[in-house]
Amino acid sequence: AQTVTQSQPEMSVQEAETVTLSCTYDTSESDYYLFWYKQPPSRQMILVIRQEAYKQQNATENRFSVNFQKAAKSFSLKISDSQLGDAAMYFCAYRSSSGGTASKLTFGTGTRLQVTL
Amino acid sequence: ETGVTQTPRHLVMGMTNKKSLKCEQHLGHNAMYWYKQSAKKPLELMFVYSLEERVENNSVPSRFSPECPNSSHLFLHLHTLQPEDSALYLCASSPQWFIGEKLFFGSGTQLSVL
Repeated sequence: AQTVTQSQPEMSVQEAETVTLSCTYDTSESDYYLFWYKQPPSRQMILVIRQEAYKQQNATENRFSVNFQKAAKSFSLKISDSQLGDAAMYFCAYRSSSGGTASKLTFGTGTRLQVTL
Repeated sequence: ETGVTQTPRHLVMGMTNKKSLKCEQHLGHNAMYWYKQSAKKPLELMFVYSLEERVENNSVPSRFSPECPNSSHLFLHLHTLQPEDSALYLCASSPQWFIGEKLFFGSGTQLSVL
């Protein structure tokens, strides 16, 4: 079974600075999808960024980028120019590319990010 | 506007009560999901519906009973719950029950079982 590990329960960053959230996963599959979701105090989870394992290029969405290291099974999220609105819980998630019951997302336990002035 | 609306936002119930959680999506999606979020634990998928048919039931106790009367509405009926069932219950939807699809979440119902 796949597992997703987020080893940083809490992180803090100053406004305008850069922060990196770590995520590692365990799988025997070669084709899969990886995601970062953000859950602000409103509780609504929002997709931040998505990476397909067969793509070598790291995904980027404005100030958010990932460092995808397939051999190391590592998928870290970098937030540049941090803003107060980035304060939230961030969840890393894995999804198999095969169908059936393996199509569900496997989430990590989350990293709470604080943004300070 | 998230497109996925959950009610109530908060719910406190006794162990002998019966209550229902409601989820409604206005996105025209065909798949809907119930997740359980407990503190310091990964999100747990409970049920998946695709075109109103339940396609996944991940060993959820029978005191949780889902209902999907149409592709826009999803309910979670609760009865005889235990204190350990206290959690945030999240509803989500996606265009299809399909690999790699983006999930759209509601804001959840925070459930407390006394």
